[in-house]
Amino acid sequence: QKEVEQDPGPLSVPEGAIVSLNCTYSNSAFQYFMWYRQYSRKGPELLMYTYSSGNKEDGRFTAQVDKSSKYISLFIRDSQPSDSATYLCAMSPPNFGNEKLTFGTGTRLTIIP
Amino acid sequence: DGGITQSPKYLFRKEGQNVTLSCEQNLNHDAMYWYRQDPGQGLRLIYYSQIVNDFQKGDIAEGYSVSREKKESFPLTVTSAQKNPTAFYLCASSTTGKNGYTFGSGTRLTVV
Repeated sequence: QKEVEQDPGPLSVPEGAIVSLNCTYSNSAFQYFMWYRQYSRKGPELLMYTYSSGNKEDGRFTAQVDKSSKYISLFIRDSQPSDSATYLCAMSPPNFGNEKLTFGTGTRLTIIP
Repeated sequence: DGGITQSPKYLFRKEGQNVTLSCEQNLNHDAMYWYRQDPGQGLRLIYYSQIVNDFQKGDIAEGYSVSREKKESFPLTVTSAQKNPTAFYLCASSTTGKNGYTFGSGTRLTVV
């Protein structure tokens, strides 16, 4: 079993819809949780970062962490065609900087105009 | 602006040849990483380096080699021993106390 599981999709939704992207993990030591967005043929860019459990909001994006269920989510409100990309979750134990990130496989998202 | 530069963007290699992918960062980051990305498999770690003149194997190091002679530079050599080198290669960096990796824009290597 992989440490981080992420549905690869593809996921297609109409413009304006709310998108929910999810990852589950097995390592209870993970404390830092991140979401990266990767456009086709580009490197991933850090989109959201959260520490431990809770919610974090940034514009149309909300990251949610439920450590009791080992489940993290990224919500995109009022989705736009420019949100079409692959979204990767990533996580690491507390001593980040000395520990490597563990990535999900990525979910490919298409927003249909 | 600070960032990571990978070159070239596209690279073609004949079978049996070694090729070197360049990765340079001006972020003053301590750690650097090389990942390989294949469709449906996500990011797989090849090598990483946390300080100059030191590096460790990742999950799929066979057929690859690296060096870290300068803090800013972490080149990756894909050797002829790598059986299936066609892939998208990503370089990243990070620093203690700051969260997340900064990625380069990638090099797409094709064996012809």
